[in-house]
Amino acid sequence: DAGVIQSPRHEVTEMGQEVTLRCKPISGHDYLFWYRQTMMRGLELLIYFNNNVPIDDSGMPEDRFSAKMPNASFSTLKIQPSEPRDSAVYFCASSPNRGRASYNEQFFGPGTRLTVL
Amino acid sequence: AQRVTQPEKLLSVFKGAPVELKCNYSYSGSPELFWYVQYSRQRLQLLLRHISRESIKGFTADLNKGETSFHLKKPFAQEEDSAMYYCALFAGGTSYGKLTFGQGTILTVHP
Repeated sequence: DAGVIQSPRHEVTEMGQEVTLRCKPISGHDYLFWYRQTMMRGLELLIYFNNNVPIDDSGMPEDRFSAKMPNASFSTLKIQPSEPRDSAVYFCASSPNRGRASYNEQFFGPGTRLTVL
Repeated sequence: AQRVTQPEKLLSVFKGAPVELKCNYSYSGSPELFWYVQYSRQRLQLLLRHISRESIKGFTADLNKGETSFHLKKPFAQEEDSAMYYCALFAGGTSYGKLTFGQGTILTVHP
C-alpha cells in the first residue's frame, strides 16, 4: 500500500488563482482529514469526513476554502481565490474506525507545499 | 472545547542528555493522548499513545490527569531524535474521530 497519496507535492501560484489539492486515502479507511501546517500556528484541522460525509468544517478559515469527498477514494481541497497568507503545507490524513479512539491511528500523506505569490 | 498546548516551539539538547517535551491539555472529560513525530523529509507518524503505556525508540509519556499533562521524555537523546513533535488529544463525543494537535515542538539534538 502506498499510503495516503497527495497531489501535487508542490504548488506555486499567483494571488487570485484557484488552487485544487487532491488526496487519495488508504483503502478501507472511514475517516479523512485535511490539515494546514504553518510555523506560526502549527498543525490545524481544517475539515474532516466520515464515510464521505463532512463532519466538522469549523476549522475552514473562510468561504474561500471548500472541500469535497465525492467517493471513498478521493477528496479535494479547493482555495478560490488564493491569497499569500494561504501559503502553507497542507496535509491529508486517513484513519480506520476500529471502534476505539486509541486504535484509530491517523496516517498522513506527504503534504502539498503551497506558495501563493 | 478541547485544547493542547506545547509551550516550547524549539528545544535543543546535546546527545546523551535527557530530554522532555512538554504537553498540557484542557478537556473536561477523559482524554486519550498521543504523540506524533515528523522526521526530516518523512511523513508525520504516530510515535506513541498513552493507553498503550509503551516505550517507543526510548521515549515514554505518562498521562498526569491532576496536572493535565502528557510530557514526552527520553533519558538519553540521540541525534536521530531530531524532529518535529506534536502532542494530540482525542476527545470523542460529537467530535469522534478528530484529533486536536498542539503547536508542535522542534527538537534538535546536537552531537
